[in-house]
Amino acid sequence: GAGVSQSPSNKVTEKGKDVELRCDPISGHTALYWYRQSLGQGLEFLIYFQGNSAPDKSGLPSDRFSAERTGGSVSTLTIQRTQQEDSAVYLCASSLRWGGQETQYFGPGTRLLVL
Amino acid sequence: QKEVEQNSGPLSVPEGAIASLNCTYSDRGSQSFFWYRQYSGKSPELIMFIYSNGDKEDGRFTAQLNKASQYVSLLIRDSQPSDSATYLCAVTNTGNQFYFGTGTSLTVIP
Repeated sequence: GAGVSQSPSNKVTEKGKDVELRCDPISGHTALYWYRQSLGQGLEFLIYFQGNSAPDKSGLPSDRFSAERTGGSVSTLTIQRTQQEDSAVYLCASSLRWGGQETQYFGPGTRLLVL
Repeated sequence: QKEVEQNSGPLSVPEGAIASLNCTYSDRGSQSFFWYRQYSGKSPELIMFIYSNGDKEDGRFTAQLNKASQYVSLLIRDSQPSDSATYLCAVTNTGNQFYFGTGTSLTVIP
C-alpha cells in the first residue's frame, strides 16, 4: 500500500474485554512504532520494533499490553482486560533511516473507547 | 521533571512572519530530534529530523540543535495560514525510545 494502515479505525469495547489492534507498515520500512494519544494530550511512546525485535518493552503501560511483529511487516498491539483509562487513539508509525535522513509516516490511528 | 518541554502556546504570528518554536530536553544523552506537525483530528506528520549540532534547512523550515544547551528549535519562514497546527517536539535516546513534548499550538493570522 501507499501508506501505513491501521485497523480497526474505531473500536468500542466493554471494560474487561481484550482488544487487538493491527498495523500494516510501509513496505520496506524496518522500524515500526506504537504510540497512544489521549484526548488533548501529547503522544506517549509505547514500543519500538526493529525488524521483528522489540529491544525495550518498558514503555508499555502495564503487563496487560503486549505487541508483536511478524515477518518484519504487520504488527499487532493487544490489550487484555481493557480498562477505561485505556481509551485513546493508538497510532502506529513506520520509518526508514539512511544516510542521515529519515522518513517516517504515521497511520490514521485506531480510536479505542472502553465503556 | 518532564523529559521534553515545550511552550504550549498558543503562538500567533501574522502571515509572512517567522514563527519560532522551542523545545528543551533533560536527557543529555539524547540522540535524535524530531519536529512533527499535527492538524486537529489528524495524525502527526514528520517535518524535520536532526541529530547534529547546528542548523538544518528544508524549504521554509529550519531546525536548530544545541546539545550543550539541550534545546532544539524550529523556525518557519514566510508563515502561511496552512501552517496553523500543533507542533510536537520529540527526542530519542540510545534505545530509540521516543519522548514527546505536549506540543505548541501555532496560529498564523492572514
